[in-house]
Amino acid sequence: DAKTTQPPSMDCAEGRAANLPCNHSTISGNEYVYWYRQIHSQGPQYIIHGLKNNETNEMASLIITEDRKSSTLILPHATLRDTAVYYCIVRVEGQGAQKLVFGQGTRLTINP
Amino acid sequence: GAVVSQHPSRVICKSGTSVKIECRSLDFQATTMFWYRQFPKQSLMLMATSNEGSKATYEQGVEKDKFLINHASLTLSTLTVTSAHPEDSSFYICSAREDSYEQYFGPGTRLTVT
Repeated sequence: DAKTTQPPSMDCAEGRAANLPCNHSTISGNEYVYWYRQIHSQGPQYIIHGLKNNETNEMASLIITEDRKSSTLILPHATLRDTAVYYCIVRVEGQGAQKLVFGQGTRLTINP
Repeated sequence: GAVVSQHPSRVICKSGTSVKIECRSLDFQATTMFWYRQFPKQSLMLMATSNEGSKATYEQGVEKDKFLINHASLTLSTLTVTSAHPEDSSFYICSAREDSYEQYFGPGTRLTVT
């Protein structure tokens, strides 16, 4: 079973920052937070992951609360091509790394 | 990032026939591969996990005799849907991981059984 909760859908205006929330209140100390997205009829695409520190890469930023019970994925300047379903997943890394189990995700629509 | 390919991208077959889908990791050695299935407007559902040279581990409710998985090399896994029926029509996605690193996904294969 998925261990995260996300809003089913969100809208954002093109050029604005898109902030996608995720609750993972039962996360364990050794579980990482992963974000993937899936554009229609394609395989999921890796975005970013983190353990407890905030992370940033060329695609997005990941903000994890101090208690690690929730996180926010930030797309700083959303474009129409960012329209996709975004999945937040928690998983153990390292030895004994777990399989990725997908929840329902958030369907993000970027509007012109 | 790492590249995972699938072949074919689309396949249409008649009911009762078998279909084989290939998944390849192009620039890394995939010690573990995963097969997912996705129905329209639904999330991905994990079907099975396979480690190179070992038998696949199937998720609950997935028939291992119907969905045959072979992971004979570190760069290739195959999924064979045997005696396919219309209800097997779906989007099949493979994923690959090297040791404990990130998991990368293929582009998916759309299977239609008529």
